[in-house]
Amino acid sequence: KQEVTQIPAALSVPEGENLVLNCSFTDSAIYNLQWFRQDPGKGLTSLLLIQSSQREQTSGRLNASLDKSSGRSTLYIAASQPGDSATYLCAFVMDSSYKLIFGSGTRLLVRP
Amino acid sequence: NAGVTQTPKFQVLKTGQSMTLQCAQDMNHNSMYWYRQDPGMGLRLIYYSASEGTTDKGEVPNGYNVSRLNKREFSLRLESAAPSQTSVYFCAGDRGRTDTQYFGPGTRLTVL
Repeated sequence: KQEVTQIPAALSVPEGENLVLNCSFTDSAIYNLQWFRQDPGKGLTSLLLIQSSQREQTSGRLNASLDKSSGRSTLYIAASQPGDSATYLCAFVMDSSYKLIFGSGTRLLVRP
Repeated sequence: NAGVTQTPKFQVLKTGQSMTLQCAQDMNHNSMYWYRQDPGMGLRLIYYSASEGTTDKGEVPNGYNVSRLNKREFSLRLESAAPSQTSVYFCAGDRGRTDTQYFGPGTRLTVL
């Protein structure tokens, strides 16, 4: 059974700092990976989607990478802003399915 | 485009009452999903519909039923609500395995 771990569970940084959120998984038979953002009391918004054949995807200040051999994905946020404060979740679709398996998320606070 | 919409936004039920959560999308999604989100448990899949006319159980289906009324609509029914079903419920959809999932804003349900 796929197990997904996100570290750290919570993170507080000053504005302007570059930061990395980590997601690790136990089963490398991944079809694709998504990173989501969730604001308090809101639904999830997809940030980046990486297919299993890709190594990374970029959107603006966000860069997500995928290393299946090491069981890791990272979300890099450059020049963080208070508006980046939210919970970030990684999720996988396995080769044998099309259902998303979610990590428990990292709660990010960017202090002005 | 309204995207993925859910009704109601909030609901309070007494134990034993029944209700139906509605979800609709105008994004031409083939697949639709119902999740619940609980503190410390992350997002868990209740039921999904891979295509119009099909439904399948997810990770936590007990106490729920679903109907894929047509391609646009996917409803979740609680026949006899229990306090353990107090949660935030999210509907989501996508066009296939290579597509990102789009989430609705959620329904916050309290069962007393």
